[in-house]
Amino acid sequence: NAGVTQTPKFQVLKTGQSMTLQCAQDMNHNSMYWYRQDPGMGLRLIYYSASEGTTDKGEVPNGYNVSRLNKREFSLRLESAAPSQTSVYFCASGRLAGLNEQFFGPGTRLTVL
Amino acid sequence: GQQLNQSPQSMFIQEGEDVSMNCTSSSIFNTWLWYKQDPGEGPVLLIALYKAGELTSNGRLTAQFGITRKDSFLNISASIPSDVGIYFCAGRDAGGTSYGKLTFGQGTILTVHP
Repeated sequence: NAGVTQTPKFQVLKTGQSMTLQCAQDMNHNSMYWYRQDPGMGLRLIYYSASEGTTDKGEVPNGYNVSRLNKREFSLRLESAAPSQTSVYFCASGRLAGLNEQFFGPGTRLTVL
Repeated sequence: GQQLNQSPQSMFIQEGEDVSMNCTSSSIFNTWLWYKQDPGEGPVLLIALYKAGELTSNGRLTAQFGITRKDSFLNISASIPSDVGIYFCAGRDAGGTSYGKLTFGQGTILTVHP
């Protein structure tokens, strides 16, 4: 099993450009999450999907949109990138209820110039 | 939003020394998780705790779910160079819904000198 995979691994954008970060998991998890990680800020939740067909805002959703394409895939879109969105983005997946363990992908390192 | 205070922020130790770090919350948690993040990688789950007072080991790592349900501790015994990385605590608020939303601490950066 690959676990959680993310593409791309690195990306450089100019201010105003758009892009989509892809995430897929093969652990048959119901829940999927997008986080951003900034120095000294830990991991902050952007959006999550408790189950296929549902998405909800997390702590820092402004400037982002998400799509839960199917049970395996959860994408994050930046419609008009801003320098403040320079960060490392992590996708995670977990079970819907009961155990709350989340498993993370390797991350996408995004720079917005 | 929910806040987790993780300390210390960083540690510089000699190989072979023991390490302790902790997290505290302003509210009661029903889950505590400890992750390690290597440079350039995603966090990897080390230990999961689900009951107040629970003490769980994973090799040289031992973690405890505090009796008050507002704190958790991670100990690493006899540190080795590959222990270097950032350690995160994460917890689920007891008042949360079942989708497993977690709150993360800010991390403890561990440096081990050979």
